[in-house]
Amino acid sequence: GQSLEQPSEVTAVEGAIVQINCTYQTSGFYGLSWYQQHDGGAPTFLSYNALDGLEETGRFSSFLSRSDSYGYLLLQELQMKDSASYFCALGETGGFKTIFGAGTRLFVKA
Amino acid sequence: EAQVTQNPRYLITVTGKKLTVTCSQNMNHEYMSWYRQDPGLGLRQIYYSMNVEVTDKGDVPEGYKVSRKEKRNFPLILESPSPNQTSLYFCASSFTQGASEQYFGPGTRLTVT
Repeated sequence: GQSLEQPSEVTAVEGAIVQINCTYQTSGFYGLSWYQQHDGGAPTFLSYNALDGLEETGRFSSFLSRSDSYGYLLLQELQMKDSASYFCALGETGGFKTIFGAGTRLFVKA
Repeated sequence: EAQVTQNPRYLITVTGKKLTVTCSQNMNHEYMSWYRQDPGLGLRQIYYSMNVEVTDKGDVPEGYKVSRKEKRNFPLILESPSPNQTSLYFCASSFTQGASEQYFGPGTRLTVT
């Protein structure tokens, strides 16, 4: 079946750059997305890669390599408010399921 | 304002008592989903719907039912809730299938005793 693997926790310093990796196993998918969720809140969409390469949205960038079954979310100029959980997700082909990773908890320290 | 609404936000119930969690979106989205979120497990899809009268199972459909009679509404039904269905539930919608830019409701915290 399909699965996505992410680190459970990452810690970084305010102002730094952090990369959250996502590796996946799938027979086919439309694209890889990233979502942010603050404690007590709902997930919110950050970025989507349908094709290989880098997508940039402000301080956030996302990368996909289908040949390596790998993607990552890059957060630059980290701020305290970036402390949250981050999820990668993919939409499978051959059906219309959406599969999420278990999430990466990011702690930003002063 | 574009949004996904869910009701109720919090619910405590007893084993076996049927309940419905409503979900509505005002963005004319075709794709709607229900997820449950449990610590350490991320979001797991329960059911999804591609359009009116078109629904299908996600990864954890056992014990749940859904219907899609109107495009904007996608209720989640637990006909005989059990304690293992205690969880945080999210409804989400998007223009198309898949993971691209889904909009999530605020969540429903359900406790089954």
